[in-house]
Amino acid sequence: DAGITQSPRHKVTETGTPVTLRCHQTENHRYMYWYRQDPGHGLRLIHYSYGVKDTDKGEVSDGYSVSRSKTEDFLLTLESATSSQTSVYFCAISEGQGQPQHFGDGTRLSIL
Amino acid sequence: RKEVEQDPGPFNVPEGATVAFNCTYSNSASQSFFWYRQDCRKEPKLLMSVYSSGNEDGRFTAQLNRASQYISLLIRDSKLSDSATYLCVVTRISGGSYIPTFGRGTSLIVHP
Repeated sequence: DAGITQSPRHKVTETGTPVTLRCHQTENHRYMYWYRQDPGHGLRLIHYSYGVKDTDKGEVSDGYSVSRSKTEDFLLTLESATSSQTSVYFCAISEGQGQPQHFGDGTRLSIL
Repeated sequence: RKEVEQDPGPFNVPEGATVAFNCTYSNSASQSFFWYRQDCRKEPKLLMSVYSSGNEDGRFTAQLNRASQYISLLIRDSKLSDSATYLCVVTRISGGSYIPTFGRGTSLIVHP
């Protein structure tokens, strides 16, 4: 399995609090992605990164920010969590553009 | 029209059956195509890439039809362990970046 670790694996928090999810890879892959998966919507791209300090928005980026200060770490931040952000969040990595992605185990986030 | 569409199923088949799924995409400039499988409450895992000439991996065959803008996955001699959700991924180029888009998945149930 690709060396991808997501943390935390589970989190419950309250509306209005900040939340940061971490994705750590040991593969030295250039591309990293954050998705959310919800019933009826499938996997939707939030943000992606194509290198250190290089990030761009995906399909559902509102309410989320990301940072990538090192190749191995890609952070997803919810500045002020809302109940609509309750979801399962997956991080993925790929070696190059258009290449297959490999996913982390996911983070189950509940916003009460 | 959604960018990537799949029949959600479920496809309910007996062991040993042959089953096929299609995935249609709307952007004719799409570049890369993949099939993933996802087990309940797990991360998506790469099943196979889809090449223009078609490709086979054991009991699985993937094909691409650019003219009609769909990809297909054929599973022969279905096993109980094939029960899962199958996700197609289509990657398009936008602003110089390759943007992957997932279908919502097709559920397969293989019964004894």
